[in-house]
Amino acid sequence: EDQVTQSPEALRLQEGESSSLNCSYTVSGLRGLFWYRQDPGKGPEFLFTLYSAGEEKEKERLKATLTKKESFLHITAPKPEDSATYLCAVQKGGAGGTSYGKLTFGQGTILTVHP
Amino acid sequence: DTAVSQTPKYLVTQMGNDKSIKCEQNLGHDTMYWYKQDSKKFLKIMFSYNNKELIINETVPNRFSPKSPDKAHLNLHINSLELGDSAVYFCASSQIGTAYEQYFGPGTRLTVT
Repeated sequence: EDQVTQSPEALRLQEGESSSLNCSYTVSGLRGLFWYRQDPGKGPEFLFTLYSAGEEKEKERLKATLTKKESFLHITAPKPEDSATYLCAVQKGGAGGTSYGKLTFGQGTILTVHP
Repeated sequence: DTAVSQTPKYLVTQMGNDKSIKCEQNLGHDTMYWYKQDSKKFLKIMFSYNNKELIINETVPNRFSPKSPDKAHLNLHINSLELGDSAVYFCASSQIGTAYEQYFGPGTRLTVT
């Protein structure tokens, strides 16, 4: 069974204090790993897709990386507006129903950035 | 210009009632999904439709019945609501075969009393 575990569950940072969030996964035949941001009372907002080990993607202060077992979301010099829950999800490739986009999510990391 | 919209945003009802949640996407995607987010914020897929055809049906009580009148709409009907159905329900859409990222609606918070 596909599994996604995120750590830490909660992270408090001071503004400007860089850190990383971890997403460990177990899936047979990874099609893609996805990062989302979720603000309170809103739906998840798509951030990145990573497809293969060694791939990196950046967006503003965020940088996502992927290995064969885990992904990291690096946050450089965070600002209070980066406070949110960050969700990681994996999608399995292959034939049949699993090829139609089923995402398996981790439990999320709640990031709080204090000014 | 909303991409994925859901109605209603809040739904409060009593046990035993039947209710529906509606979802529409204007992204031109061919696949739509229903997810349930529980009190611990854990998101779990319930159903998926591709071009109006049911393709993912997770272990969900048969009181939940999705319906897709066309590929831009996916509704969720729930019969005989139970306390444990209280959660936030998210609709999402994606385009299979070209890009697999899913775009989520704002959610419907269902409270069963």
